[in-house]
Amino acid sequence: DIVLTQSPGTLSLSPGERATLSCRASQNISSNYLVWYQQKLGQAPRLLISGASSRATGIPDRFSGSGSGTDFILTISRLEPEDFAVYFCQQCGRSPITFGQGTRLEIK
Amino acid sequence: QVQLVQSGAEVKKPGSSVKVSCRASGGTFNSNAISWLRQVPGHGPEWMGKIIPILGISDYAQNFKGRVTFTADKATGTAYMELTSLRSDDTAVYYCARGMGLVASPYFDSWGQGTLVTVSS
Repeated sequence: DIVLTQSPGTLSLSPGERATLSCRASQNISSNYLVWYQQKLGQAPRLLISGASSRATGIPDRFSGSGSGTDFILTISRLEPEDFAVYFCQQCGRSPITFGQGTRLEIK
Repeated sequence: QVQLVQSGAEVKKPGSSVKVSCRASGGTFNSNAISWLRQVPGHGPEWMGKIIPILGISDYAQNFKGRVTFTADKATGTAYMELTSLRSDDTAVYYCARGMGLVASPYFDSWGQGTLVTVSS
């Protein structure tokens, strides 16, 4: 199975700052097959980015994704109060699909 | 975009079974596969497998084979997940989600609201 390792585990930032979240895969993943989700407390995950860099419908352009091979990045350019949540990456290139353990983005 | 509505929270005894439902708003899943996932607090979701409702074909993740069964009622647009021989470490929030991308290894653009299953004696 492909293992996804996210870092950091927790990121403490202030509104207006830039957030950079990392997802590293144990094997090469085509960039077509890396997605990002946001999850708020008590809610289901929400699709943010598919194909490593394509924003889902309704996702603000302050969210961007990049990367290839084994290293992928989710960037939030200017944090809004509603962006403080947990973020997961998922690979969908090989079965079984797998998720990272998450990065918690908290208000500093 | 399809909305998925799941059944309510369950409390079960060890060794028993649980059946969770997932209904598509509008009454149809179209041709999409519906996956089932579970999540323990503080962890990423874990994929349990998927069913293609219009075909009635299921695919189970290795960790759950023999203990989980997916079914679907096309007439009502409802999918079901039954997990048997429950253990305390099956306590989790269970989600259904609509698959996109590759059928064999999807990602998910719509999720149900989640069903908390608590296994306790």
